[in-house]
Amino acid sequence: DGGITQSPKYLFRKEGQNVTLSCEQNLNHDAMYWYRQDPGQGLRLIYYSQIVNDFQKGDIAEGYSVSREKKESFPLTVTSAQKNPTAFYLCASLKGDRRSEAFFGQGTRLTVV
Amino acid sequence: SQELEQSPQSLIVQEGKNLTINCTSSKTLYGLYWYKQKYGEGLIFLMMLQKGGEEKSHEKITAKLDEKKQQSSLHITASQPSHAGIYLCGAADTGRRALTFGSGTRLQVQP
Repeated sequence: DGGITQSPKYLFRKEGQNVTLSCEQNLNHDAMYWYRQDPGQGLRLIYYSQIVNDFQKGDIAEGYSVSREKKESFPLTVTSAQKNPTAFYLCASLKGDRRSEAFFGQGTRLTVV
Repeated sequence: SQELEQSPQSLIVQEGKNLTINCTSSKTLYGLYWYKQKYGEGLIFLMMLQKGGEEKSHEKITAKLDEKKQQSSLHITASQPSHAGIYLCGAADTGRRALTFGSGTRLQVQP
């Protein structure tokens, strides 16, 4: 079955460490997105990519980095420059024509310890 | 960038009551998504509206799109505890070709 997979489900990071969140889709979607969600809040856009080897900053890109070397994969790295990384992270993918639903992964909960 | 404002931010209703959630855009809407989320989980797709005046229903949930008002509404009839969760509207920000979301409406349904 086609879908979008995020891993791990839970992640713990020590102060000063970089961590990478995985997002893989087998839907053949062109566009992929990363969002951050804080308790009681909506989704805030971190980075997005419309095609392979190209990506753009969203509204809260500082302290994060991404790559899009393959159509299926869009990993997000939370760097030590992100001062408050504890949050729920969601990845989504969408067909290029945006005429259909966006598919979401089940999320990764990142906690700084 | 496009901004989506949802109202109310939270809602508590008695089981069996009807309710409406609104989503207003700062820019022209070229398509609007409605999703539901249980806290700490991924989003469940409810429906997508693409044309002004379009109305879609799924079970007891109906959504409408008013392009002129740059607004969409989600209406739940005869609410049930299973309707509880966070409802999010999303739209394609054509200016930067991104998908943005509102801040969400937290719904609680009391038995």
